[in-house]
Amino acid sequence: EAGVVQSPRYKIIEKKQPVAFWCNPISGHNTLYWYLQNLGQGPELLIRYENEEAVDDSQLPKDRFSAERLKGVDSTLKIQPAELGDSAVYLCASSSGLAGVDTQYFGPGTRLTVL
Amino acid sequence: QQQVKQSPQSLIVQKGGISIINCAYENTAFDYFPWYQQFPGKGPALLIAIRPDVSEKKEGRFTISFNKSAKQFSLHIMDSQPGDSATYFCAASKNTGNQFYFGTGTSLTVIP
Repeated sequence: EAGVVQSPRYKIIEKKQPVAFWCNPISGHNTLYWYLQNLGQGPELLIRYENEEAVDDSQLPKDRFSAERLKGVDSTLKIQPAELGDSAVYLCASSSGLAGVDTQYFGPGTRLTVL
Repeated sequence: QQQVKQSPQSLIVQKGGISIINCAYENTAFDYFPWYQQFPGKGPALLIAIRPDVSEKKEGRFTISFNKSAKQFSLHIMDSQPGDSATYFCAASKNTGNQFYFGTGTSLTVIP
């Protein structure tokens, strides 16, 4: 079974440029998460989807960040415009969403460098 | 505010030794406590998890000890191996599928 797929793996952009990250969760997983991981820190939730609905986006900086999961499967996270402080690893995770099953499976992440 | 506090930040253990990583939390509503292992360039991978109805869970060389009254839990890695060298994160969540709150991570190095 394929794991969570993310692309690109690495992205280098200049500040004020837009950037987008793509995630394809494990097949059948209804819940999808986007996390931000700064160097030497644990992942921090940006947004959580249940199918196509964003059920928790309280930590998403909505002035520059946006996300979508139009068909309840793959998802895109966008930053526009990017700032120097956005340099980090952006992780996508998915879980089945079944009652009593909490395991989140993470993708390899996209490492963003903003110059 | 850090929901889950993790220590130590880094740990060096000799091969065959025991590695111990500690975490503490404040929110008594948390009911799921996983430990994740992360290698450089990879996403975190679930190692072992526990719910507060048990005080200990063991899977192979990895054991979680859970102290509900103290609101603390720890990961013990027995017979540590160089291949265990990675960053370990504890986490906590309440209710299925809800937000995980991660600790700040412990970088473990196992010396051959």
